[in-house]
Amino acid sequence: GNSVTQMEGPVTLSEEAFLTINCTYTATGYPSLFWYVQYPGEGLQLLLKATKADDKGSNKGFEATYRKETTSFHLEKGSVQVSDSAVYFCALGPGNQFYFGTGTSLTVIP
Amino acid sequence: NAGVTQTPKFQVLKTGQSMTLQCAQDMNHEYMSWYRQDPGMGLRLIHYSVGAGITDQGEVPNGYNVSRSTTEDFPLRLLSAAPSQTSVYFCASSSLGTGFDQPQHFGDGTRLSIL
Repeated sequence: GNSVTQMEGPVTLSEEAFLTINCTYTATGYPSLFWYVQYPGEGLQLLLKATKADDKGSNKGFEATYRKETTSFHLEKGSVQVSDSAVYFCALGPGNQFYFGTGTSLTVIP
Repeated sequence: NAGVTQTPKFQVLKTGQSMTLQCAQDMNHEYMSWYRQDPGMGLRLIHYSVGAGITDQGEVPNGYNVSRSTTEDFPLRLLSAAPSQTSVYFCASSSLGTGFDQPQHFGDGTRLSIL
C-alpha cells in the first residue's frame, strides 16, 4: 500500500544551522510529493511540492528533491531561523487519497 | 480571503452524544476531505469528496458520516461519540486540476474532546 515514513523528532537546532528532515515513501504508480508546515494552533500550510521524479520543490529557503530511485523526498534548509520552529509533514498524493507522515517537530533556538 | 473555515474551534461532548463539525470553502474546489490528527499518528484521512453528491471513505471512516450537497460545504457527523474520537479534526480542500497533484488548503482545525 501507500505510506510515508518520516524521521522521528523532535529536532532542536541552533539558529543558522543546516536542517535535514528525512522522508521516504512507498507508493504504486507515480505519486506527487509534498511538504507541509504546521505552526502552533493552526492548520497545515503547503511548503513545497514536486510532481515527478527529479523535480526539486523550493520555497522560503527550503528545498526537497523527488528521488524515485531511493523513494525519498528529504527536506533541507541551509540556515534555519527561529521563525522556522514548527511541525513539518511529508505527504504523498497518489490519487484521490493523500497520505501523511507522522510529522517532525523542529525547534530553533537563538 | 476566507479559504477553508471550520466551526466550532473547540467542543466537549459526552459519550453517546452526536454532533456535526462544519467545513466551508470559498475557492470553488472540487475536492474536500476530513482528517483527524492524533499524537504520533500524523494525519489520517476519514472521508473525502470529489464533488457535490460524491463521497468516499478514507483510512479511518468508522463512526463518521459525511455528505456533500453543495460544492462549498462538507460537514462531518459523529452519530454517537466515543472517547476514541477525541482528536483534532482538519478539513481540507483542493482543486482537481489535471489530476490529484494539487496542494490541499487546510482549515484551522476543531479540537474535540469526548468524555
